Amino acid sequence: DTGVSQNPRHKITKRGQNVTFRCDPISEHNRLYWYRQTLGQGPEFLTYFQNEAQLEKSRLLSDRFSAERPKGSFSTLEIQRTEQGDSAMYLCASSPSRSVNYGYTFGSGTRLTVV
Amino acid sequence: AQKVTQAQTEISVVEKEDVTLDCVYETRDTTYYLFWYKQPPSGELVFLIRRNSFDEQNEISGRYSWNFQKSTSSFNFTITASQVVDSAVYFCALSDVRGDTGRRALTFGSGTRLQVQP
Repeated sequence: DTGVSQNPRHKITKRGQNVTFRCDPISEHNRLYWYRQTLGQGPEFLTYFQNEAQLEKSRLLSDRFSAERPKGSFSTLEIQRTEQGDSAMYLCASSPSRSVNYGYTFGSGTRLTVV
Repeated sequence: AQKVTQAQTEISVVEKEDVTLDCVYETRDTTYYLFWYKQPPSGELVFLIRRNSFDEQNEISGRYSWNFQKSTSSFNFTITASQVVDSAVYFCALSDVRGDTGRRALTFGSGTRLQVQP
């Protein structure tokens, strides 16, 4: 296991289309996070899973966004009816359950461009 | 509310110069962690350092050093004898813990782009 894997690396889509991204965390990590990073800004927290349970969603996550983590393994982030403002880098991170010192690992991200 | 400020948007230096990246944070938590990450053009966030709020000792790792001052809520990062490979965006981040869910998110600053010219 070499780290957190995200697919695809890049996605270009037309406005109004739906897109789905995938994140494969480090296998023994039960905590999984999604972040969004727009140009010139730092990443912003979107949502958090502990195993298969989605325990928190940021107010940044509109109704068009949905995230899942079936069986507590990989996670998907779907954006419906994409808008140009959704263009960003979407980052996934995972950490072990007893991460009292923030043993975070980030993936390389999926860069979304909505045209 | 958590906040991290990196006032320097972009810094350009010539190779072998020393450079300091500033980070100021705000938090109401009494226990917290501070981080620095490097983001090269390829996009991945590379972890550089984690420091907890109880440890104010400065740290040095090779050409990198960090100065944590709780009194001024600052956690500055210095690169000594910069190299072209140091060119990247550097982010300072602060722990954002929610006890009821166990969530440990990070609040990031807006980053400082460092350009090291040969």
